[in-house]
Amino acid sequence: QKEVEQDPGPLSVPEGAIVSLNCTYSNSAFQYFMWYRQYSRKGPELLMYTYSSGNKEDGRFTAQVDKSSKYISLFIRDSQPSDSATYLCASNTNAGKSTFGDGTTLTVKP
Amino acid sequence: GAVVSQHPSRVICKSGTSVKIECRSLDFQATTMFWYRQFPKQSLMLMATSNEGSKATYEQGVEKDKFLINHASLTLSTLTVTSAHPEDSSFYICSADGGLAQGTQYFGPGTRLTVL
Repeated sequence: QKEVEQDPGPLSVPEGAIVSLNCTYSNSAFQYFMWYRQYSRKGPELLMYTYSSGNKEDGRFTAQVDKSSKYISLFIRDSQPSDSATYLCASNTNAGKSTFGDGTTLTVKP
Repeated sequence: GAVVSQHPSRVICKSGTSVKIECRSLDFQATTMFWYRQFPKQSLMLMATSNEGSKATYEQGVEKDKFLINHASLTLSTLTVTSAHPEDSSFYICSADGGLAQGTQYFGPGTRLTVL
């Protein structure tokens, strides 16, 4: 079993929709949670990070962590075609290296 | 934001040659850098963790003699694929410890290696 599980999709939504991307994890020691966005043939870019449980909002993006259920979510409001990419969740203990999910491919259709 | 560059962005070489990929943090110092490879439509596979001034820590199954990593300064890490073969063709991506928060990384744009 992978430590971080992510539904690979693909996920296709119309422009303006609310997108929900989710991951689950199994390692109780994970305390830091990140979301990265990767466009085709590019390196990932850090979107958001959170520590422990709770919500964090940045513009149209909201990251949510529920440590009791080991569930990580990223919500995108008013989705745009430019949001079309692969989204990777990642978790980290305090030891340095992150564990990544396999990524969810999102397409936002105009 | 922090910028990480990689050079070259694309390389095509003949089987048996060695290829060096450079990873630089442009506007910050990176004590720790990571090297990943990624196959099409698959996730990142961590190859090794590179710490400035010390030997790299390789993940299980990664041949350290084939993938030589050097982290000579706080802004430069290099990955050398020695005696490359077609099965080494992949997308190689480096990242640097972001320092923003534990676990955050700034990624380079990647290097696409094709071995003929």
